[in-house]
Amino acid sequence: DVKVTQSSRYLVKRTGEKVFLECVQDMDHENMFWYRQDPGLGLRLIYFSYDVKMKEKGDIPEGYSVSREKKERFSLILESASTNQTSMYLCASSSSRDRVDEQYFGPGTRLTVT
Amino acid sequence: TQLLEQSPQFLSIQEGENLTVYCNSSSVFSSLQWYRQEPGEGPVLLVTVVTGGEVKKLKRLTFQFGDARKDSSLHITAAQPGDTGLYLCAGAPGGGSNYKLTFGKGTLLTVNP
Repeated sequence: DVKVTQSSRYLVKRTGEKVFLECVQDMDHENMFWYRQDPGLGLRLIYFSYDVKMKEKGDIPEGYSVSREKKERFSLILESASTNQTSMYLCASSSSRDRVDEQYFGPGTRLTVT
Repeated sequence: TQLLEQSPQFLSIQEGENLTVYCNSSSVFSSLQWYRQEPGEGPVLLVTVVTGGEVKKLKRLTFQFGDARKDSSLHITAAQPGDTGLYLCAGAPGGGSNYKLTFGKGTLLTVNP
């Protein structure tokens, strides 16, 4: 079974703090994704990576950065957290070798910025 | 920009009832996936449909991909409280960009005992 794990299930941070969210997958997937999920807005793609050290902006990259130094690990960084970044953050991975790119999600991190 | 519209947004039914939720677009997708998400958890992949007109069954769940590959439906027979959750559809655009899925906003299903 594909396993995607996220470093924290719940996180509370103060405005202005630097926040690191980590995601690890164990299926040797090439592609990894960070989404945020908000009521009424659905899942929105922040960044994705299709290879080590490669990244592309998604639909809402402002205020975020990412790092992928190893194939299995994809980190999301909030440089200076703000209250409007309070959200559910979801990491996902998929394989480029499959004909269809099924994404497998982690359990999510509920981030609250106060 | 490809969009996926899901309907209804909310559905509350009694245990034992049947239901259908829909996922529609004006765009063609190379494949379409359905996920279920329970409160406070990440989405879990249920099924992927690839061929226009394809029907897949997963116990009491039946998934159909439209002939033109622009829409899909999920039918649940004899719903149970364990079916409660947010049902999301996601489409792959094809053309070498399959890794970037378009997600609908979901149908929130509540099955009351």
